[in-house]
Amino acid sequence: DQQVKQNSPSLSVQEGRISILNCDYTNSMFDYFLWYKKYPAEGPTFLISISSIKDKNEDGRFTVFLNKSAKHLSLHIVPSQPGDSAVYFCAASGVFNKFYFGSGTKLNVKP
Amino acid sequence: GAGVSQSPRYKVAKRGQDVALRCDPISGHVSLFWYQQALGQGPEFLTYFQNEAQLDKSGLPSDRFFAERPEGSVSTLKIQRTQQEDSAVYLCASSPEGARTGTQYFGPGTRLLVL
Repeated sequence: DQQVKQNSPSLSVQEGRISILNCDYTNSMFDYFLWYKKYPAEGPTFLISISSIKDKNEDGRFTVFLNKSAKHLSLHIVPSQPGDSAVYFCAASGVFNKFYFGSGTKLNVKP
Repeated sequence: GAGVSQSPRYKVAKRGQDVALRCDPISGHVSLFWYQQALGQGPEFLTYFQNEAQLDKSGLPSDRFFAERPEGSVSTLKIQRTQQEDSAVYLCASSPEGARTGTQYFGPGTRLLVL
């Protein structure tokens, strides 16, 4: 029973354009959400997070949007750069220190 | 500074063999997590330590899996009588805080292949 879903396994974007990665969750108790980026043969690295009391959080080229009513979050990368090519995971947690991850979206930014 | 390290990076085990996977978290980090990542999937929570206390082990798939962190720093994940379905990447992450909003820093993982 997957509580966090990333329905797009891959995404290809031209350099300089916007990348939009999507994530859906089913558990209404989740109140903290994160995005991680992963390069091959490395562990995931933290990118950006958002608490459920907000609907937007921005950090440089990265913005995360949260739509609680739709149980949906998205990560926007503007402008996309070739170095952004990686697998992106969204994750969510509720009251306890247990994190649920999506299956990932592989982003390819073409030069 | 040094990040989270894991050893071995790769492990091939015969079915039925016991394995031990080590995680060296960032020094001083309070929280430590273990995850299992199957091919093409996201990390799946196994267990969580706050210092030496194992506060959540609900993700351990069976009683063949055992984790410890006796002195609140290095942690070991042990898998007894390995099965082919145990083949996965095992990720360790540490966080400076006990709160779940603390950033988790992941190690590179141990890739386990059970033949």
